[in-house]
Amino acid sequence: GAVVSQHPSWVICKSGTSVKIECRSLDFQATTMFWYRQFPKQSLMLMATSNEGSKATYEQGVEKDKFLINHASLTLSTLTVTSAHPEDSSFYICSATTGEVTQYFGPGTRLLVL
Amino acid sequence: GQNIDQPTEMTATEGAIVQINCTYQTSGFNGLFWYQQHAGEAPTFLSYNVLDGLEEKGRFSSFLSRSKGYSYLLLKELQMKDSASYLCAVLANQAGTALIFGKGTTLSVSS
Repeated sequence: GAVVSQHPSWVICKSGTSVKIECRSLDFQATTMFWYRQFPKQSLMLMATSNEGSKATYEQGVEKDKFLINHASLTLSTLTVTSAHPEDSSFYICSATTGEVTQYFGPGTRLLVL
Repeated sequence: GQNIDQPTEMTATEGAIVQINCTYQTSGFNGLFWYQQHAGEAPTFLSYNVLDGLEEKGRFSSFLSRSKGYSYLLLKELQMKDSASYLCAVLANQAGTALIFGKGTTLSVSS
């Protein structure tokens, strides 16, 4: 089956620093990648939709200047949390699709901002 | 607006059968997914229904009624490893667009 990886799997950083999370489709080309955020005991909330070579589409309430998304190739999308604060601590999950119905999820990145 | 409802928590014992319900109200509908998520891990795909009826896959079955905006996931012969969160998600728009997730149902299986 299709595999999506994320790196790093977890990260601890100081408040005010920036953190970059990578999402890669390992054995397929993803026309679209999605970034979700999940707080404890909550469901996955879509943050943004990322298409290769174009600007990401952000959901209402998600600051595009704070959560920078780059989709440079059909196999890689990155999410950079700029000037992270403790309230940004969460579980960030990406998913990828070839344009078909099924989405393939990465293993997630746990971010803790101190 | 978009709304997906499922129970917050359920408990069951090993060997039993449990049914997790999901109701949805979305602007469009192009299929419903069930995912299993263990704590701290990404969701894993269980099933996809786009037509009315029951889809069976081993110990897991999923049912859909589009007219009622209703689905359920049926887990048979429960095992301890089935303790997890079960997420109901709707593809409201065309293929290749984002899913809308419910809050998930945490299932605890005891011996």
